[in-house]
This record gives sequence, C-alpha cells and structure tokens, in this order.
Amino acid sequence: AQSVTQPDIHITVSEGASLELRCNYSYGATPYLFWYVQSPGQGLQLLLKYFSGDTLVQGIKGFEAEFKRSQSSFNLRKPSVHWSDAAEYFCAVGARNQGGKLIFGQGTELSVKP
Amino acid sequence: EPEVTQTPSHQVTQMGQEVILRCVPISNHLYFYWYRQILGQKVEFLVSFYNNEISEKSEIFDDQFSVERPDGSNFTLKIRSTKLEDSAMYFCASSEQTGGFSGANVLTFGAGSRLTVL
Repeated sequence: AQSVTQPDIHITVSEGASLELRCNYSYGATPYLFWYVQSPGQGLQLLLKYFSGDTLVQGIKGFEAEFKRSQSSFNLRKPSVHWSDAAEYFCAVGARNQGGKLIFGQGTELSVKP
Repeated sequence: EPEVTQTPSHQVTQMGQEVILRCVPISNHLYFYWYRQILGQKVEFLVSFYNNEISEKSEIFDDQFSVERPDGSNFTLKIRSTKLEDSAMYFCASSEQTGGFSGANVLTFGAGSRLTVL
C-alpha cells in the first residue's frame, strides 16, 4: 500500500537559515510527488510537483525538492527561510491511474525564529 | 488566480443532524474531490467525482456520505446523520482534465470547512 512519512512533526529554524523538510514514500512504481503548504486559515497550496524527468524540481516561493528513487525520498529545501514561510507543509504521493487520489504525510509544522 | 471556494468556513452541529458542505470548484475544472483532516491526523481522501458520478471513494465514504453537483457550479458533500467522529476539516479540490484519471492530476484545494459535531 502507498504511504508517506514525514518524520519531523515540528521544526524551528532561524530566519535566513536553510531548511530541509523530509519526506519518504512507499510505492511500488514511480509515483507522482507533491509538496503542499497550509498557512493558518488557508487551503492547501501547491508548492511543487514531480511527475517525471529532472529529479530536482523548482517550485514557488523559492522552494525546491529532489526526488531520490534509491532513498524513496522527496525532501523539500529552501536556502534561506523567511518569517512568512512559517506554516504546515505536507508531502503527498499520487499513483498513476488513480487520478486525483493523493496520500498525504502527517505534515511538518515550520516555525521561524527572528 | 482562480480559487476553489468553500462554505461555510465553520459549522457547528448536533450529533444526528444532516450537514451539507458546499464548494465552488474552478470553472474549467472537470474533476472534483473531497478530503478531510481530523485534528492532529493526516489529510485523507474521501471521494473523487467526474462526469456526474463518483469515480472512486475511500472506505471512510460510507452510506452516510453523498456528493452531488446540483448545478453547473456547485459541488456538495452531504453527511446524513453526523457522528462525533465526523468532526474534521473538510477540503474540496478540483483539477483540470489534463492527464485524466490515467495520468497525473494537479489539485487545487479550497480553504476548508471546519465541522464540529457536538
């Protein structure tokens, strides 16, 4: 069965520091991979996605993620965090031939220290 | 930027009451979804809907749940007789036709409707 694990429930980083949020997935074939962000009172906003091709994908707000098949990982990175990046981040996997059914990780809450 | 709109943002109801959550998907999208997130838990898939019928549903989506597209713009989730465990944030999402159900759909989510069952 497909599953997604985000090992870190809560991360705190200083503003201007680099960020890496971890995501591991379990799926029998190459999945579709997504990172969504949720700010308080907001919906889930797509940051970036991986379908195929280049394993390093760029997203909005300066985020990037790298698909590593050998590690079943899709970690999210940002070189310099801004206070406005404080939010909850969700990794999700979608299977081919299952349309929009996504399996989500439990989320990582990011706090940013001034 | 086009948005998925959900109403109400928060609803409080008594156990056993019927609840209807409403969604206005993005106008040119053809695929519609409901997900839910119980407090402190993962976001879970409930149901997908295309061409006026359910395409897929999870085991959570039992006979107490139903979805409908009553007109050209709204997409609703009805819970017939709410239980305490239905308390959650319910997210509506929609996606374009590109990729279809054999490919990858990129979902746009609404802000959610928080349901509290007392």
